[in-house]
This record gives sequence, C-alpha cells and structure tokens, in this order.
Amino acid sequence: AQKVTQAQTEISVVEKEDVTLDCVYETRDTTYYLFWYKQPPSGELVFLIRRNSFDEQNEISGRYSWNFQKSTSSFNFTITASQVVDSAVYFCALSEPQTNTDKLIFGTGTRLQVFP
Amino acid sequence: DTEVTQTPKHLVMGMTNKKSLKCEQHMGHRAMYWYKQKAKKPPELMFVYSYEKLSINESVPSRFSPECPNSSLLNLHLHALQPEDSALYLCASSQESGTGARADTQYFGPGTRLTVL
Repeated sequence: AQKVTQAQTEISVVEKEDVTLDCVYETRDTTYYLFWYKQPPSGELVFLIRRNSFDEQNEISGRYSWNFQKSTSSFNFTITASQVVDSAVYFCALSEPQTNTDKLIFGTGTRLQVFP
Repeated sequence: DTEVTQTPKHLVMGMTNKKSLKCEQHMGHRAMYWYKQKAKKPPELMFVYSYEKLSINESVPSRFSPECPNSSLLNLHLHALQPEDSALYLCASSQESGTGARADTQYFGPGTRLTVL
C-alpha cells in the first residue's frame, strides 16, 4: 500500500544551522512522483519540487537540496544555513498516476522552527 | 504565474447558513481540486474536476457541493454544516489530471479558514 512517512514531527534549529527533513515512501508502482511542499503559518501550500521515479539525480536550488534514493525509498530535503523565514510545516507527498489518479498522498508533515 | 486565488480568506457561519467558497486560476490548467485540512494534519482530497467535469468525489457528505462553472473557476457550496467541518479549505489546480502517465504539479491557493458555529 502507498504511504509516506515523515518521522520527524518537529525540529528546532538556530539560524544558520543546516537541517535535513526526512521522507520515506512506500509504493508498488514503478512510475511515481514525489513532491515537497512548504506551508508557512499563513496556510498556503507552496510547491518546492517535483521528482519522478526515473530521475534519481539530486537537485540543488539555492539553499535547498534534495537527495532521492530509490534503494532506501527516501526523498530527503536539506536546508543549508537556515533562516527564520524557513519556519513552516513541510510536507512530502507521493503521487501514483497509474493506480491513484491525481491523489497526493501526504506525509504527516514536519514542523521546522528556526530561531534567531 | 502560478497563482491560485481563493475568497473569502475567513468565513464564520452558523449550521443553518448557506455559503460558498470561490477559487480562481488563470494558468490555463484543466484540473482543479478541493482539499480540507484540519489543524496539525495534512490536506485531505475532497473533489477533483477535470475539464470541468467532476472526476473524483472522495465520499464527501452532500452538505458540500462542488461546482465548476468554467475552466478557471471552482466553487464549493456549503449548506447545513457541522462544527466538525471547521477547517482550512484549500483549492489547487494542475495542468491536467487523469493522464495515467504522469502527475502534474498541483498549485495551491491560500485557503479559506472556515469556522462553523
């Protein structure tokens, strides 16, 4: 059965620290997509990244980087030199277009607090 | 431009009221979604519209009635709600849905915070 696990419920760091948010997924499909979204206190879900199952290249976007490892079914997210504005809830999500059309299967989220 | 707008931002209603939530996107997307999110939980899918037709209803109670007047607009009509329906209601859109081959990115609006008294 499909599932996304974000084991870290809450993480607190001090500004400029690096932080990694873990995401482990379960799927039987060979074609699937993984996403990360950021939800600041205002409530809007902000799209961060989309990755398909055939592309295992790691990605870097500014202070953000993602490590996709199919061997361990993980798609971890690292923020380098964290800032107070990074404080938010971060959701990892899985989509299986062939068996679960359009459904985003969300993890339970990780609340990140960055203190000055 | 990846903007999805939602109105109102906040809504307080009694259990006998009828109200509507509105969502709009101008990205040319052909799929639109309603999600419900309770505090400290992930969003839960309610409805999906594809090319203005309802394609998915996640067994949502009939007191929630979706409507897609055109490809840019999505409404959620509310009637006889219960206090447990209080939540953040999020709208999203994506380029397409139901392709079976890929999952397009869903872009979310800011949400409507609904309180049912």
